[in-house]
Amino acid sequence: DAGVTQSPTHLIKTRGQQVTLRCSPKSGHDTVSWYQQALGQGPQFIFQYYEEEERQRGNFPDRFSGHQFPNYSSELNVNALLLGDSALYLCASSPVGASGVLNEQFFGPGTRLTVL
Amino acid sequence: AQSVAQPEDQVNVAEGNPLTVKCTYSVSGNPYLFWYVQYPNRGLQFLLKYITGDNLVKGSYGFEAEFNKSQTSFHLKKPSALVSDSALYFCAVRDTASGGSYIPTFGRGTSLIVHP
Repeated sequence: DAGVTQSPTHLIKTRGQQVTLRCSPKSGHDTVSWYQQALGQGPQFIFQYYEEEERQRGNFPDRFSGHQFPNYSSELNVNALLLGDSALYLCASSPVGASGVLNEQFFGPGTRLTVL
Repeated sequence: AQSVAQPEDQVNVAEGNPLTVKCTYSVSGNPYLFWYVQYPNRGLQFLLKYITGDNLVKGSYGFEAEFNKSQTSFHLKKPSALVSDSALYFCAVRDTASGGSYIPTFGRGTSLIVHP
């Protein structure tokens, strides 16, 4: 079992550009959540996808959008990048069920995004 | 609103000694509490959770945590620290009174350093 995988591992963009990050959940998991972890901070919840729909959203602007595919993999898109978007972006998957956060989450290694 | 505090940025302990990493929380209803560990350049790994029941929760790698409702705390403990336990530890909480919200709040993290 490969666990949660994310791509790419590192990414460098300039202000105003757009970026797409990808995540494949752990086998058997249907719920995917995205987090932003700034340097020296804990992860902040961006949104969660279940059954290909956004189920819950944190306090992030509409520049942050996502998608979940029928195979449960997910993408995070960020438009009009700002310097403050530089962070580690973590994807987490949860076992099958409606309570994605009641169950423990399995995190991927993250994508390090640097915005210049 | 829910919040979590990890009052220590860093905890230093000698190998073989007991360790404690502190976490306090604030919720409106009852809490769901989690501990995760993050090694350098890795995603978060689940250690343990408290949902209900016994106040002493046992988790992975010999870690345990004690839920104390009166002190609103959920401190992580281990009887005998290993050098390999050195990592960043995150406490997370979800308020059961959050109207069906699946959004967890993570603390800022505590760096545990175990000296040989």
